[in-house]
Amino acid sequence: DGGITQSPKYLFRKEGQNVTLSCEQNLNHDAMYWYRQDPGQGLRLIYYSQIVNDFQKGDIAEGYSVSREKKESFPLTVTSAQKNPTAFYLCASNYRQGGFLYGYTFGSGTRLTVV
Amino acid sequence: KNEVEQSPQNLTAQEGEFITINCSYSVGISALHWLQQHPGGGIVSLFMLSSGKKKHGRLIATINIQEKHSSLHITASHPRDSAVYICAVRSRANDMRFGAGTRLTVKP
Repeated sequence: DGGITQSPKYLFRKEGQNVTLSCEQNLNHDAMYWYRQDPGQGLRLIYYSQIVNDFQKGDIAEGYSVSREKKESFPLTVTSAQKNPTAFYLCASNYRQGGFLYGYTFGSGTRLTVV
Repeated sequence: KNEVEQSPQNLTAQEGEFITINCSYSVGISALHWLQQHPGGGIVSLFMLSSGKKKHGRLIATINIQEKHSSLHITASHPRDSAVYICAVRSRANDMRFGAGTRLTVKP
């Protein structure tokens, strides 16, 4: 079955370490997104990519980096510069047709805890 | 003020009750999504609508573009409906804005 795989589901890291969250999709979707979810707040966009080898900053990109070397993969690195990295991270994807976006699909998320 | 406001924030119901969750938005949109997030964290898309009403099983979603308001209804609620329901709007610039979610608990 097609879908988005995020791994790992839970991740613990020491303060000051960089950590990379994986997101893989086999839906042949062009666009991929990373969101951060904090309690009581809506999802906030970190980075997005509409095409391979291209990505754009979202609303809260500081302290994060991404790459899009393959259509299927959009890893997110949480760097030591991110002041408050403990959160739930969701990856999503969709495709564009006729100027509109369809097929919005989410992964199951990664809960990152920095100690 | 958030661009997407949901109410209520938390909702507890008895099994069998009719449930309504509301969403108001302040931006021009091309579409509105209702999403369901289960305790494990994964999100599934329930509806995408840009006008009128859609029905899927016991779930009904409506939207009033003029009033910038949408509702999600659940008929004959069941404990397995317990989840966080998120309203999200796609602006005309194609970016998504999310509400903070409504946590629904249905008791047997």
